[in-house]
Amino acid sequence: NAGVMQNPRHLVRRRGQEARLRCSPMKGHSHVYWYRQLPEEGLKFMVYLQKENIIDESGMPKERFSAEFPKEGPSILRIQQVVRGDSAAYFCASSPVANTEAFFGQGTRLTVV
Amino acid sequence: QKEVEQDPGPLSVPEGAIVSLNCTYSNSAFQYFMWYRQYSRKGPELLMYTYSSGNKEDGRFTAQVDKSSKYISLFIRDSQPSDSATYLCAGKSQAGTALIFGKGTTLSVSS
Repeated sequence: NAGVMQNPRHLVRRRGQEARLRCSPMKGHSHVYWYRQLPEEGLKFMVYLQKENIIDESGMPKERFSAEFPKEGPSILRIQQVVRGDSAAYFCASSPVANTEAFFGQGTRLTVV
Repeated sequence: QKEVEQDPGPLSVPEGAIVSLNCTYSNSAFQYFMWYRQYSRKGPELLMYTYSSGNKEDGRFTAQVDKSSKYISLFIRDSQPSDSATYLCAGKSQAGTALIFGKGTTLSVSS
């Protein structure tokens, strides 16, 4: 049973480009969470999605960031016009239902140059 | 005051020691508590999941929740060098959608 799969593991983008981060939840999991982790910082919640629905995006920056979880395929976190401050590790977690254990992927490390 | 606070450490112990890792939280609505272990440049790995107050044991790990004092603990018995990692605690309310994490405590177990 594969765990939460994230790709790419490492992503380098120039300022102004777009970054697309993908997350495939564990089999049977329909709840997906995205977190961002900066050096020396804890995990910060960004967005919570269920299939085809954004449930809570209170942690997402208002501009340039968007997320989706389509009926088919992985969840996508999209960052438009990246800036150096977007450099961080982005983690995805999934759970089968709300209020149960959440399992994390290995993350995507985004570097903006 | 941050919602979840942890002493960042580092905490250094010899192999075989009993380790106590602690968090405090401020949100009295928290009902769900989790401990994760994170190795350098890896994703967080779920160690323990508890609901409400009480103790839960799994192998060498014991999680304790005291809701009256808003205090959660993770005990590691017979610590091993492979336990060297950052330990993250997290809490969540019934109605909340997000796990709220502390910044983590770095543990180093020397052989």
